[in-house]
Amino acid sequence: EAGVTQFPSHSVIEKGQTVTLRCDPISGHDNLYWYRRVMGKEIKFLLHFVKESKQDESGMPNNRFLAERTGGTYSTLKVQPAELEDSGVYFCASSQVGLGLQETQYFGPGTRLLVL
Amino acid sequence: LAKTTQPISMDSYEGQEVNITCSHNNIATNDYITWYQQFPSQGPRFIIQGYKTKVTNEVASLFIPADRKSSTLSLPRVSLSDTAVYYCLVGDMNNFNKFYFGSGTKLNVKP
Repeated sequence: EAGVTQFPSHSVIEKGQTVTLRCDPISGHDNLYWYRRVMGKEIKFLLHFVKESKQDESGMPNNRFLAERTGGTYSTLKVQPAELEDSGVYFCASSQVGLGLQETQYFGPGTRLLVL
Repeated sequence: LAKTTQPISMDSYEGQEVNITCSHNNIATNDYITWYQQFPSQGPRFIIQGYKTKVTNEVASLFIPADRKSSTLSLPRVSLSDTAVYYCLVGDMNNFNKFYFGSGTKLNVKP
């Protein structure tokens, strides 16, 4: 079974540019999460999709970040315009819908974003 | 969600058993305890999960005392490849939609 994949693995852009990150969850996983670790900080939750719906986007830092999951399959996270403080590693995770049991979230390898 | 406290780092030698303890004094009745492992340049990887007493799988054991205010991840006979950051996470089993990662414990296994 393929794991969570993310693209690109690395991205270097200039301040003010736009970057779009993509996440392909494990097939059949309705839950999809975005996290990020900015330099020197802890991994922080950004948002959670259940299929194509945003269940919780309380962690999105500001309106420069837009996440979509059209069709409930892959998801994109767009940063527009990018700022220096957006540099970090962006992780995506997916899980199956829980049936009263704990969900195990499976993480992708992350996208390393550097804004210059 | 309950916050967790772990040692920042630990050193061990190959072949030793390593125990990493996590404090979660404010754990709630519905909260589960989950441990993740992260290697450099990779995403966190699930290790083990439990609610109370002891849980064991092919990778590790998880010990949870009766008051559940702490938990201990036990790695038997570590090898160099176990060098990683280990995160203890606590969350509501009915609303475990977002993980709160602390600083984790950096385990350094020496030859």
